[in-house]
Amino acid sequence: AQSVTQLGSHVSVSEGALVLLRCNYSSSVPPYLFWYVQYPNQGLQLLLKYTSAATLVKGINGFEAEFKKSETSFHLTKPSAHMSDAAEYFCATRPGAQKLVFGQGTRLTINP
Amino acid sequence: EAGVVQSPRYKIIEKKQPVAFWCNPISGHNTLYWYLQNLGQGPELLIRYENEEAVDDSQLPKDRFSAERLKGVDSTLKIQPAELGDSAVYLCASSLSTGTGELFFGEGSRLTVL
Repeated sequence: AQSVTQLGSHVSVSEGALVLLRCNYSSSVPPYLFWYVQYPNQGLQLLLKYTSAATLVKGINGFEAEFKKSETSFHLTKPSAHMSDAAEYFCATRPGAQKLVFGQGTRLTINP
Repeated sequence: EAGVVQSPRYKIIEKKQPVAFWCNPISGHNTLYWYLQNLGQGPELLIRYENEEAVDDSQLPKDRFSAERLKGVDSTLKIQPAELGDSAVYLCASSLSTGTGELFFGEGSRLTVL
């Protein structure tokens, strides 16, 4: 079954530093992949999605992710972290039909 | 455009009591989902509706959980009786069945069972 694995349950970076959140997928066919963000006590909000149109996907708030088939990865990056980026980030895949399967999440902390 | 609306946002009950959560999806979205999110974990699908039909309920604990989506719009998720382990956030989401899979989530209903 298609799934995603997020490496690192907690990532901490300094304000202004590079953000890198890791996600690897398992799929025998080209997958749909997503990154969602969840701020405290809120629902999930879509950051970006990969649907095979382009390997480098740009999302909201300056985030982007690159689909690398050779590495089965879809890592999320942002060149310069901002305090407002502190949140929980979830990678997800669509294994078929109309549903998403989520990873365990990575909590991003930004240090001043 | 209004997003997915859930209520209540917070609910505290004693074990063995019943509880119900309500969800109003985005207008025009025919697919509705209920996800369970335990603390520090990713959401897990409980049930998915296409219009008023439950098309994926394999992860719904049917001995105590039930859901309905009358008229293919609003949905209610019920737990009876609640157990301590049911303490979690219950997320509702909706999407277009013809879309690329993007789900739109509500803010969730946080349940605490004492």
